[in-house]
Amino acid sequence: DVKVTQSSRYLVKRTGEKVFLECVQDMDHENMFWYRQDPGLGLRLIYFSYDVKMKEKGDIPEGYSVSREKKERFSLILESASTNQTSMYLCASIPGVGSTEAFFGQGTRLTVV
Amino acid sequence: SQQGEEDPQALSIQEGENATMNCSYKTSINNLQWYRQNSGRGLVHLILIRSNEREKHSGRLRVTLDTSKKSSSLLITASRAADTASYFCAPDSGGYQKVTFGIGTKLQVIP
Repeated sequence: DVKVTQSSRYLVKRTGEKVFLECVQDMDHENMFWYRQDPGLGLRLIYFSYDVKMKEKGDIPEGYSVSREKKERFSLILESASTNQTSMYLCASIPGVGSTEAFFGQGTRLTVV
Repeated sequence: SQQGEEDPQALSIQEGENATMNCSYKTSINNLQWYRQNSGRGLVHLILIRSNEREKHSGRLRVTLDTSKKSSSLLITASRAADTASYFCAPDSGGYQKVTFGIGTKLQVIP
């Protein structure tokens, strides 16, 4: 089975801190995605990557950056955390060519205080 | 890719009843996928229907696709309390494209 693992299930950080959310997939998938999910707003795409060292902005990239140094790992970085970044963060991966089924991690509930 | 729009946003039914939720999209697709999300968890893939298919079954799930109306429906028959979750559709137009999701349909099955 494909496994997508997010480094933390729950995280509490202070305003202004630099926050790293890590996501690792074990099936050699090409494409990886970061979303945030807020009540009434659904899943919103922050960034995605279709190859190592490649990144593309999603719909709400402001305040975030990403890193993909290795194929299996896609990191989301909050350069200076703010309270409006309190949210559920979801990572997903997709094989790429031949399949578009998305596999999700368990989610990270981030609270910025 | 494009974002699907699920309808209704919330649905509450009794256990044993059928649940139907709908998805509309804007442009032509290669396939459309449905996902389920239990509260506080990641999404789980349920079923994929290709653009040349009209109906697909998987256990108690039945998905239909009407490409002329740019819509799909997900039917869960004989619902159970464990079906309580949010359901999302993801229309796929192909290529290296971002995968986006809408607000989903929040289904509550009352025991």
